[in-house]
This record gives sequence, structure tokens and C-alpha cells, in this order.
Amino acid sequence: SQQGEEDPQALSIQEGENATMNCSYKTSINNLQWYRQNSGRGLVHLILIRSNEREKHSGRLRVTLDTSKKSSSLLITASRAADTASYFCATRGSQGNLIFGKGTKLSVKP
Amino acid sequence: SQTIHQWPATLVQPVGSPLSLECTVEGTSNPNLYWYRQAAGRGLQLLFYSVGIGQISSEVPQNLSASRPQDRQFILSSKKLLLSDSGFYLCAWSKGHTSSYEQYFGPGTRLTVT
Repeated sequence: SQQGEEDPQALSIQEGENATMNCSYKTSINNLQWYRQNSGRGLVHLILIRSNEREKHSGRLRVTLDTSKKSSSLLITASRAADTASYFCATRGSQGNLIFGKGTKLSVKP
Repeated sequence: SQTIHQWPATLVQPVGSPLSLECTVEGTSNPNLYWYRQAAGRGLQLLFYSVGIGQISSEVPQNLSASRPQDRQFILSSKKLLLSDSGFYLCAWSKGHTSSYEQYFGPGTRLTVT
């Protein structure tokens, strides 16, 4: 069953702009993960944020988590054409396993 | 370092034909293994997972089956393919089964059933 839902479904920006993607989930979590998928490829893990963390950084990525609102955001600063990909959040399913949202498709135009 | 392989990379099969997709992991032992299907422009649907040799859990009843004959080998099969089986199949592994563990994905197999 669906747990995380990303929005927007698609996002188109110019190189150099910031990109923000959001994820909402329904049940309690221990942590939340973000993944990236280039077209026609497998997913690559980007970052994991624990439920007791509010913000986490990794290079140009900034992830926030608001457990009271059951939401997370992924911010990519100073975007590049190479950031063009789909981005997925993943949270805990009813069986304790990891389940993925439908993703946000990001297009960064040079 | 750990690597995960999938083959074939692409496959075109007629309706009613059998299917066998293979996934192997190198550089780790006793991994948790997963098969996902991704329809065009959609999210990932978990099909099967395995926490050990011969242990398979199915998430969605369907025309597919999975087997784990060896610790680091995971096979997805079908006796008779349906048009609806078309999609992008991804294999993944993790050190643990809970959501606290990140998953590592293979390059995927693009299956087209005609």
C-alpha cells in the first residue's frame, strides 16, 4: 500500500535554480529515505533522515523532516542539468519494510 | 565493494511465453533481496522479497514467482507471460529488511510483452 506521496509529480526549472520536492506520509516512521533514478536506470540512495532529526545536508542536498505534519522535503540547490532525474521518498510500510512513493520527475534545463 | 547484477538488460517476449530474470549480488553475504516492477512513469511496486535461501514472500498475487536457490541469487519467473507483465523490473538488496536500511539497486531489466 502507498505510504509516501511526492509532490509535485513533475517539476521543470532552469539550471542554477533551486528545486524543492515534497513527500507526505501517513503512519509513524523511524526514518525516511530519498532516492534518485536516472531515466531507465536503477535507484540510487541519496540520504536517510531519522525521525529525531529535523534537517540533514549532503552536498547540494538538504532534507527536512516534520514528523508533526508527516512530511519531508528535498531541496537541491544550484541545480545542474545532470540533476535531471526522478526523485522518490521511501518510508516504512505496514510490514516494517521500505516502500516507495510515485516520485517527482525533475527536469533541469541548461 | 558490493555490486548487483541483473540480466538480461532488455527482453521482448510474446504473450504466453516463459520468463526468467536473474539477479546476483557480489561482495556481501546473507543479503535481503527484492524484486520490484515499475510501470512507465510510475513508482515501484514490490513484488517479492527474500530474507534467506528458499525464503520468499510475495507482496502481490500475480502471474509471477520468485526463487532464491543460492544466498546471493534471486530469480523472477513466469510460466506464461501476460501483456500486463510488461515493465521495468528492478532487483535490490539490503543488509536488513526494515526501513532503517538503504537499498541498493541493480540496473534493471526492460521487459516488453508483445
